[in-house]
Amino acid sequence: QKEVEQNSGPLSVPEGAIASLNCTYSDRGSQSFFWYRQYSGKSPELIMSIYSNGDKEDGRFTAQLNKASQYVSLLIRDSQPSDSATYLCAVEAGGYQKVTFGTGTKLQVIP
Amino acid sequence: DVKVTQSSRYLVKRTGEKVFLECVQDMDHENMFWYRQDPGLGLRLIYFSYDVKMKEKGDIPEGYSVSREKKERFSLILESASTNQTSMYLCASSLSGGETQYFGPGTRLLVL
Repeated sequence: QKEVEQNSGPLSVPEGAIASLNCTYSDRGSQSFFWYRQYSGKSPELIMSIYSNGDKEDGRFTAQLNKASQYVSLLIRDSQPSDSATYLCAVEAGGYQKVTFGTGTKLQVIP
Repeated sequence: DVKVTQSSRYLVKRTGEKVFLECVQDMDHENMFWYRQDPGLGLRLIYFSYDVKMKEKGDIPEGYSVSREKKERFSLILESASTNQTSMYLCASSLSGGETQYFGPGTRLLVL
């Protein structure tokens, strides 16, 4: 069983729509959760981090965490073509700070 | 701004060669990481370090070793390169546990 699972996509949404990206994880002891964005040929960069249950909003982005169900999601409102990228979910188990990444979901925003 | 640099963007080596990949960060971060990224497999952790001279195995340490003699520098060593080590190698650093990781530009390694 993969430790962090994401649908590889591609997820296609029209410009202006809401994009919903989901991630599940297996380690119940996980404490820190991250969403990274990776453009083709570039390195990952942080979009959001979330540490407690509930929602966290930053501009057009909202991260949602549900530890009981072991999932974390990222909502992108008013999607723009520039949001087209691969979104990586990352989970930190605590202890000696090992971080596990999902394989990423490719998002395509259609103009 | 945090800056993570890697010694090479592209590298071509022969099977059996010893390969050194270097990573330097300039923000006094405690943690440093080495990943490889392959299509369909995502980012996989090779090794990480949470302090000078300390290292921990990640998910795929076989065929690799690391060195962290100074806080700002973390080296990945391929003792005897093999074709299945052809990949994109990404270095990252973070201030401490639970913090954002900042990635370097990556080294695309081709082993012939």
